[in-house]
Amino acid sequence: GAGVSQSPSNKVTEKGKDVELRCDPISGHTALYWYRQSLGQGLEFLIYFQGNSAPDKSGLPSDRFSAERTGGSVSTLTIQRTQQEDSAVYLCASSLARDNEQFFGPGTRLTVL
Amino acid sequence: DQQVKQNSPSLSVQEGRISILNCDYTNSMFDYFLWYKKYPAEGPTFLISISSIKDKNEDGRFTVFLNKSAKHLSLHIVPSQPGDSAVYFCAAPLLGTYKYIFGTGTRLKVLA
Repeated sequence: GAGVSQSPSNKVTEKGKDVELRCDPISGHTALYWYRQSLGQGLEFLIYFQGNSAPDKSGLPSDRFSAERTGGSVSTLTIQRTQQEDSAVYLCASSLARDNEQFFGPGTRLTVL
Repeated sequence: DQQVKQNSPSLSVQEGRISILNCDYTNSMFDYFLWYKKYPAEGPTFLISISSIKDKNEDGRFTVFLNKSAKHLSLHIVPSQPGDSAVYFCAAPLLGTYKYIFGTGTRLKVLA
């Protein structure tokens, strides 16, 4: 069956531009997570969705970051006015429910010039 | 403050030998731990987990040991195979939150 997919796989943008990253979770998975991995770092939790609601946004690094999930499925992570320190691999994961095994997508590599 | 620490960024092991990957944690608000494996250009994949009520969990060539008093866990791979070469992350969900805390990873290279 299809796994978690993310698009684009790579994104190069100029400082100050907005970007949208997309995640298609596994069908039927109600829990969805966004993480980012900066160079040499571990995965940093950004946000958790249960269905369409986000009970935990505590990991979003600034108000330039926002995310939404529609129809309990696709999620979009938006970064406004990108900065060079936003350069990282952004990973999405989904699971049947919270505390179940998370299945990760391949990630989107974002480079801010 | 890194609550889950993997102090060895890399490890090289001969094929057939044991690989031991270590992870330390500082927060007592973890009661469940997971190991993930990551190949280049792919997302992490779940490998094995352990609950804090256990001190050992085994799955084929993979065994995870938990020492709660030392706040330390380790992943043993035996025998190691070249296909095990990857980055290994330990992770734990923070109790009372939806947040998972990941270590910085250890890159394992199994030499043929």
